[in-house]
Amino acid sequence: EDQVTQSPEALRLQEGESSSLNCSYTVSGLRGLFWYRQDPGKGPEFLFTLYSAGEEKEKERLKATLTKKESFLHITAPKPEDSATYLCAVSLGGSQGNLIFGKGTKLSVKP
Amino acid sequence: DAGITQSPRYKITETGRQVTLMCHQTWSHSYMFWYRQDLGHGLRLIYYSAAADITDKGEVPDGYVVSRSKTENFPLTLESATRSQTSVYFCASTALTSADTQYFGPGTRLTVL
Repeated sequence: EDQVTQSPEALRLQEGESSSLNCSYTVSGLRGLFWYRQDPGKGPEFLFTLYSAGEEKEKERLKATLTKKESFLHITAPKPEDSATYLCAVSLGGSQGNLIFGKGTKLSVKP
Repeated sequence: DAGITQSPRYKITETGRQVTLMCHQTWSHSYMFWYRQDLGHGLRLIYYSAAADITDKGEVPDGYVVSRSKTENFPLTLESATRSQTSVYFCASTALTSADTQYFGPGTRLTVL
């Protein structure tokens, strides 16, 4: 069964304390892996797309990496405004275009 | 620069009533999706559409109906609402292929009493 698992469920950091969020997947025919940020009461906001193992993408304090079995979202020197739930999703091959989402990691950054 | 919008943003209804949630996108994206988000389940696909007049079921389609007569609109109807359909509903769209990045609307919080 295709599955996406994110860990930890929740993460509390002090401002400036770097860390990583994990997204592991067991799917057949990965087309792409997506990271989204979701603030309370809002829709998911797109961050990154990764298509192949070894690929890396960066945006401000965030860096996403991809291996054959998992993806990491590295947060360097986080700020309180980075507090949000981070969602990982995978897109499979075939005609059905839906994303399979993990349950998310809720990140809290304290000043 | 509206992008993708949903209406209403909040809705309270009673069991057995029909409810329609609206989704409108200004990008002329081919694919549109409806997801529901519940605690402990994450986002789950209800229905999707590859183009006008082409729709298909997702993971949790029971109790929902969709239509897509125009590319920009993708309404979701709950024909007879149940309490288990209390959730936050998100519409999304993507441009080129089904594997491309999906962009989400702001969501509709639906409560069924």
